[in-house]
Amino acid sequence: AQSVTQLDSQVPVFEEAPVELRCNYSSSVSVYLFWYVQYPNQGLQLLLKYLSGSTLVKGINGFEAEFNKSQTSFHLRKPSVHISDTAEYFCAVSDYGSGYALNFGKGTSLLVTP
Amino acid sequence: DTAVSQTPKYLVTQMGNDKSIKCEQNLGHDTMYWYKQDSKKFLKIMFSYNNKELIINETVPNRFSPKSPDKAHLNLHINSLELGDSAVYFCASSTRLAGAITDTQYFGPGTRLTVL
Repeated sequence: AQSVTQLDSQVPVFEEAPVELRCNYSSSVSVYLFWYVQYPNQGLQLLLKYLSGSTLVKGINGFEAEFNKSQTSFHLRKPSVHISDTAEYFCAVSDYGSGYALNFGKGTSLLVTP
Repeated sequence: DTAVSQTPKYLVTQMGNDKSIKCEQNLGHDTMYWYKQDSKKFLKIMFSYNNKELIINETVPNRFSPKSPDKAHLNLHINSLELGDSAVYFCASSTRLAGAITDTQYFGPGTRLTVL
């Protein structure tokens, strides 16, 4: 069975500072990894995904993530955040055993302040 | 153009009532999902349909019954609503290619259900 752990429930950061949101997963098979963002009172939007190939994945809005198989991690990073990045961020994993449904972590609330 | 739409956006109802939430996608996808987001924002898969066939049915009370009249629609009917059913319900869709899903899941805007 697969699971996802987002180590930080809340991450406060100042505008223009770098940020890293941590995600670890457990699965006995090959997985697909995703980061989604949810702005207040909205649906989920895909930031980036790792399916195969290069372990450094670039997404929208300047975000990137690195797949580390040995550490079973998929941390999300941005070198300089904006106020508009304030949102809830979800790491998710899917694999064949789950019917490719997304198994989400509990989310990390990113709060960017001036 | 809205890719995945849900109606209604808000639903307030009394305990014991029966209600339905509708979902439609215009992306040409063949797989659709229902997820539930609880008050702590935790998202969990409920159901998944591929080409109108149920492929995922997580541990959900049988008061919840999904129905897929065609590949573009997946509706969720809930009988005898309970307080604990209050949540935001998200529909999503994707494409299954060569037996493996590699495409992105696109989410609808959500339906906030409040049971009084």
